Amino acid sequence: AAGVIQSPRHLIKEKRETATLKCYPIPRHDTVYWYQQGPGQDPQFLISFYEKMQSDKGSIPDRFSAQQFSDYHSELNMSSLELGDSALYFCASSLIGQANTDTQYFGPGTRLTVL
Amino acid sequence: KNEVEQSPQNLTAQEGEFITINCSYSVGISALHWLQQHPGGGIVSLFMLSSGKKKHGRLIATINIQEKHSSLHITASHPRDSAVYICAVSSGSRLTFGEGTQLTVNP
Repeated sequence: AAGVIQSPRHLIKEKRETATLKCYPIPRHDTVYWYQQGPGQDPQFLISFYEKMQSDKGSIPDRFSAQQFSDYHSELNMSSLELGDSALYFCASSLIGQANTDTQYFGPGTRLTVL
Repeated sequence: KNEVEQSPQNLTAQEGEFITINCSYSVGISALHWLQQHPGGGIVSLFMLSSGKKKHGRLIATINIQEKHSSLHITASHPRDSAVYICAVSSGSRLTFGEGTQLTVNP
């Protein structure tokens, strides 16, 4: 079965550079979530999209922006990168049913290193 | 105090042992999730619970909504079960994660 795809898997950037992370949800899933997991930390929710509209926003810095496109893939854009942005960035997707809470399927993550 | 707390933080077991990981939460939730994270980072969703009990192979998850508590049990543990097990709660769409339990199963 198709899973959540994230690209790139690894990314190395310099401070103040920009980065774009991509997430391709499981086919027919309508919701995408982004999480950030710093070294030794538990994942923190950044932002989510449902049917191409932002549905929830967590602790996402103003330097970051994200969107979900017509094909449901999502991109997380990160500007003015800082050393503290080095983390594993997970994308998850789900199909929101009537209960408004469905299993989130996680991608393998993108490991971002800022030097 | 974290909204989601897990115990123990670290657990070492011998192959074949029965393992229990506990999770307590302090907020209203719509569901509780148990996740597995292997070295290298990939996260796998094991269970999503809103009541009662679920079983999948050697894994069993239970939840007591009144007590705001959930347990993950692993029967006949195996070295390949070694991973970080994370409890996460959903309220609406976002997940709030516990700090995880590092499980090591020795042969």
